[in-house]
Amino acid sequence: EIVMTQSPATLSVSPGERATLSCRASQSVSSNLGWYQQKPGQAPRLLIYGASTRATGIPARFSGSGSGTEFTLTISSLQSEDFAVYYCQQYNNWPPSYSFGQGTKLEIK
Amino acid sequence: QVQLQESGPGLVKPSQTLSLTCTVSGGSISSGGYYWGWIRQHPGKGLEWIGYIYYTGSTYYNPSLKSRLTISVDTSKNQFSLKLSSVTAADTAVYFCARLFRGYDTSGYYSSWFDPWGQGTLVTVSS
Repeated sequence: EIVMTQSPATLSVSPGERATLSCRASQSVSSNLGWYQQKPGQAPRLLIYGASTRATGIPARFSGSGSGTEFTLTISSLQSEDFAVYYCQQYNNWPPSYSFGQGTKLEIK
Repeated sequence: QVQLQESGPGLVKPSQTLSLTCTVSGGSISSGGYYWGWIRQHPGKGLEWIGYIYYTGSTYYNPSLKSRLTISVDTSKNQFSLKLSSVTAADTAVYFCARLFRGYDTSGYYSSWFDPWGQGTLVTVSS
């Protein structure tokens, strides 16, 4: 099983500043990496797939990078609605497998 | 736009079977191109993929749950369902259904993602 590790567990950032979230895979997942945002009491929302492709309707301030085992989600200028928990998720074609990181909580500083 | 909604009992006794249904609206399960998946989230914890199904009935399960899991589809009702047997307190979680893309995106790269998701339903295993 591929284990995804996110850091930090909690990140405190002021509105308007840049946030950088990290995700590491226990083995190479190539670019098979997605990012999701989850707000309290809501379902996760897809932000990024293929490590760097924004999903439909996702603002340009969200960007993803990385390949292999190290990945980054950057939010360039934090808006109030961006404070949430963010999960990375790897996917494998065959055999199919999906595993999520434990999440990074992005909170207002 | 496609929307998903989970339904089912919120309380299940230990050793019994947990049964949930996901109703899809705004699109047809049998139109193809997408799979349909289940994910769960233990209280205050991260996300765990459970399994998925295609409209043809083809399934793939998380190996850790495979022995207790059945996912089925009813295209006439535009629904798919999850049954998890012999539940314990460790199966207490919020269960989400979601549409799953598995294939090659417009750039020609293999890709996969869950989107959209249902709102989730809390299932508690307790006597």
